[in-house]
Order: sequence, then C-alpha cells, then structure tokens
Amino acid sequence: QKEVEQNSGPLSVPEGAIASLNCTYSDRGSQSFFWYRQYSGKSPELIMSIYSNGDKEDGRFTAQLNKASQYVSLLIRDSQPSDSATYLCAARDQGGKLIFGQGTELSVKP
Amino acid sequence: SAVISQKPSRDICQRGTSLTIQCQVDSQVTMMFWYRQQPGQSLTLIATANQGSEATYESGFVIDKFPISRPNLTFSTLTVSNMSPEDSSIYLCSVPGTGKNYGYTFGSGTRLTVV
Repeated sequence: QKEVEQNSGPLSVPEGAIASLNCTYSDRGSQSFFWYRQYSGKSPELIMSIYSNGDKEDGRFTAQLNKASQYVSLLIRDSQPSDSATYLCAARDQGGKLIFGQGTELSVKP
Repeated sequence: SAVISQKPSRDICQRGTSLTIQCQVDSQVTMMFWYRQQPGQSLTLIATANQGSEATYESGFVIDKFPISRPNLTFSTLTVSNMSPEDSSIYLCSVPGTGKNYGYTFGSGTRLTVV
C-alpha cells in the first residue's frame, strides 16, 4: 500500500514566522512530489513541485526533498494570515497517479 | 496548465438516485483522474479515466457504483449511483501537467449532499 504521511496539525505560527510542514512517503518508486494548498470549500491549488534531492525555492516557499529518507518538506517564510489553509503533500507514483497525504492545517495568527 | 470546467458545483440529492458529474478540459489529455474528498479528509483516488478503454478503479471503488465515461481526450463523466448519505463528499477531477515537474490541475469540485 503506497502511503503519504503528514502531521494533521493544526500547526499554528505567528505572522512573520517560518512555517515548517513535513511529509514522508512509502513508495521508493515515486519520482515527483507536490505541495498543494487548499482553502476551505475550494479545490487544491499547486504551490510547489520537486523531483530532485535538495532544495527548491519559489518566493516565500522552499520545498526540500530527501529521497534516501523518503522525506519531503515545505517551508513558508514570512507567514501571512492568508497562508492559513490546509497543505496537502502528494507523491506521483510510477503509474502517474497522485497519492495524497491527509493534509496539515496551518493557522497563521496576526 | 490545463483549465478544467467541472459541473455541477453542488447538488443535494435523494438517497437511491444517481448524479453525473462532468469535466471538460481545454486541451487534450491522455489521463483524467477522479478523486473523492470526504468531510474533513484528504483526497482519495477513485479511478483513472482512460480514453478508449475502461476506467481503472482503485481498491474499494467499483464500476457499478462509480461508472465513468471518457468519450474523447477532453471530456469525462463520473456517475455516483444509488446514492446513500455516506456518498456525501466533494468529487474532483484532475489532469496531469506536462513533464514530471508539473503538478496536476483540479476542477473546482462538486459538493454532493445526499439526504
């Protein structure tokens, strides 16, 4: 059974702080990993993708991948109240399917 | 990335009836995926819709309950059959981006309530 695991949270950080979201996956055949943001009542929105070991930065977001440890993380710098949402980690398996974690609820307090 | 139009956005249905959800994509895509998101939960893959062949269902989902059509490379439907309150969920279609570093795009979702 291919699994993607996340802490469900909620994770609460003050405005301006760094939010750190973590994810592990079980399928070593997974090649690409994604972070989606989902606001309540909305569909998931892609914010980061990564497939090489190391860090990938895009604005305030940094995704980190460690394939040896089967670990993916997302850092959000200078967190804003508008970042409050559920963050979904997903792994693409070799058949092209996305397997999602259970999501981490992030709350950024003003 | 592709743009997906999903209909209906929401519906309230009587138990025992069926609802068909449509997704129209603005470009041709080989695979389309159907997900279910139960209240407070993450996304669970129902099936992969392949053009020209039968859909591939995940464990726990069967064709009689969730028949899927894929008449061409831009369109798919998912039917939720013989509904019960346990089918109350958000249903989403999704298509992959091009290249391994491109994520998947989602439709806006169909919020289904079965009473």
